[in-house]
Amino acid sequence: QKEVEQNSGPLSVPEGAIASLNCTYSDRGSQSFFWYRQYSGKSPELIMFIYSNGDKEDGRFTAQLNKASQYVSLLIRDSQPSDSATYLCAAARGGSQGNLIFGKGTKLSVKP
Amino acid sequence: DARVTQTPRHKVTEMGQEVTMRCQPILGHNTVFWYRQTMMQGLELLAYFRNRAPLDDSGMPKDRFSAEMPDATLATLKIQPSEPRDSAVYFCASGFGDSFLEQYFGPGTRLTVT
Repeated sequence: QKEVEQNSGPLSVPEGAIASLNCTYSDRGSQSFFWYRQYSGKSPELIMFIYSNGDKEDGRFTAQLNKASQYVSLLIRDSQPSDSATYLCAAARGGSQGNLIFGKGTKLSVKP
Repeated sequence: DARVTQTPRHKVTEMGQEVTMRCQPILGHNTVFWYRQTMMQGLELLAYFRNRAPLDDSGMPKDRFSAEMPDATLATLKIQPSEPRDSAVYFCASGFGDSFLEQYFGPGTRLTVT
């Protein structure tokens, strides 16, 4: 069974702090990794993807991938109350037939 | 404003009734996914299509669920007969070409079966 595991939280951080969200995956064949943000009552929204080991930065967001440890993380710098949401990690084998396996998400709460 | 649309947004029905959910993918997107989200199970893939052909429907209960894509602008998910355990939010998502995993989700259909 291919799985993606996330701590359900809630993870609470003060405004302006760095929020660190973590994810592990069981399928060593996974090649592509995605972070989606989901506000309460809304649909998931893609915020980052990463395919190679190392860091990938986009604005206040940094995705980190370590394939040897089967570990993916998302860092949110200068956290804002508007970042309060559930963050879903997803993994895929890639290739034309691949599909996403989602974790159950980590709920982030940024306190003003 | 390119976005995935889904209808209806909410559906309340009685057990045993047929439910049909519709999705219009982003124009030009050739891969369409159906997901179901519940608190217990999270987001689960039910089926997906590429260029209107079904590629994987292994996540769907075959006896009661069916998914089709009659044309490039419409995907449907049907449940017949519906059961209370089908109560969930059903999302459609679409993607394009080699970047199909970068998926754009519709607003979802919240289904309640009583």
